[in-house]
Amino acid sequence: DAKTTQPNSMESNEEEPVHLPCNHSTISGTDYIHWYRQLPSQGPEYVIHGLTSNVNNRMASLAIAEDRKSSTLILHRATLRDAAVYYCILRGRFGNEKLTFGTGTRLTIIP
Amino acid sequence: DARVTQTPRDKVTEMGQEVTMRCQPILGHNTVFWYRQTMMQGLELLAYFRNRAPLDDSGMPKDRFSAEMPDATLATLKIQPSEPRDSAVYFCASGSFKRQGESHRIYNEQFFGPGTRLTVL
Repeated sequence: DAKTTQPNSMESNEEEPVHLPCNHSTISGTDYIHWYRQLPSQGPEYVIHGLTSNVNNRMASLAIAEDRKSSTLILHRATLRDAAVYYCILRGRFGNEKLTFGTGTRLTIIP
Repeated sequence: DARVTQTPRDKVTEMGQEVTMRCQPILGHNTVFWYRQTMMQGLELLAYFRNRAPLDDSGMPKDRFSAEMPDATLATLKIQPSEPRDSAVYFCASGSFKRQGESHRIYNEQFFGPGTRLTVL
């Protein structure tokens, strides 16, 4: 699986937007970009995924660079409950259900 | 609100004892995963099943670990004998995946349970 690179940690103020970057320069044309997050003392939970176009859902937005070598998870208005480790994961499109977790970005929300 | 459940939530045992962790996947999901999380190694995939058949257990130490799905509503992970280095949080996840080419939608999410925190003394 192609690798992703994320900052180890980030801080953001409550009620402000948060942009979490992810680099994946070796992404292949059939790799989906997935984001999961893990709240303290819980299992990971799915946030969003995309292939080429930007995606929005109730939790977040995913902005994918035109060359697909990087992406950004956007939390539009961070709350204290968004404090978590955010994982950016590439997953092959065909027949590959496995998720390979990296170290992720630990997001701290400042009240 | 469908959820993956895991039991026990916490387990403390002594080295050499057998440990069994159980997982109830979301009803209708055909793929079940076992992950292990430690501070040193992070989240690692141990094994996963599709329609109760093992597809990949390459991440699992074969000599002491075994994973099974006795039926569609139960997945088990056993460690025998347990060792202190097995101390970790073990997560079960389930999902519904279908092969490319079928008319049904392919689901991409994995739904994780709350985990079993195992401590081996």
